[in-house]
Amino acid sequence: QSALTQPPSASGSPGQSVTISCTGTSSDVGGYNYVSWYQQHPGKAPKLMIYEVTKRPSGVPDRFSGSKSGNTASLAVSGLQAEDEADYYCSSYAGSNNLVFGGGTKLTVL
Amino acid sequence: QVQLQESGPGLVKPSETLSLTCSVSGYPISSGYYWGWIRQPPGKGLEWIGSIYHSGTSDITHYNPSLKSRVTISGDTSKNQFSLELSSVTAADTAVYYCARAYCGGDCNSLYIWFDSWGQGTLVTASS
Repeated sequence: QSALTQPPSASGSPGQSVTISCTGTSSDVGGYNYVSWYQQHPGKAPKLMIYEVTKRPSGVPDRFSGSKSGNTASLAVSGLQAEDEADYYCSSYAGSNNLVFGGGTKLTVL
Repeated sequence: QVQLQESGPGLVKPSETLSLTCSVSGYPISSGYYWGWIRQPPGKGLEWIGSIYHSGTSDITHYNPSLKSRVTISGDTSKNQFSLELSSVTAADTAVYYCARAYCGGDCNSLYIWFDSWGQGTLVTASS
């Protein structure tokens, strides 16, 4: 199985919005509504931000939202804040009881 | 509030077996969640290793196909722990290893999961 494709980097100024893409195939992202997103600050464990494509766990700000179109899922962050600077990873069910992660995107708040 | 803590040797010799244990507090591992291992080589992305689900009298395990021949995940409900064994390690297995709890959508027979709680991670280096 191949990792999902994410842009290596993304950036935006405080208050702006940014979107991170996660591209797979019809065998993973496009075939199932089980895409999740994780935020990871340096030296820390990942934190769940989005599950089942669009759902936010309790405690995650509504500035974070998820969507999917075809084989590409997206994480949107609005009203960028300094603490949003982190690495972001997508994950998807990939069929046959496999799970695959994206390569990660480093989000920089300028 | 569930808490997970990885433990095990930080250094493993090439060709030997990496063994890690995840101790869970605040939630029984026998109750309705998947429990899994994810690793992250230094400076690189996340890789799912495998997951286990305790279903009544039997365990359901699923492994990353690229690691399946070398991986075993098992659970000990009496100690509320689950473990990872990775055999025949090479330098490529050097990584921070995380254990995590995963909620399952659907009926939990398929790996429709997302990881909602993570351990802090432990660095394992494969080197002589």
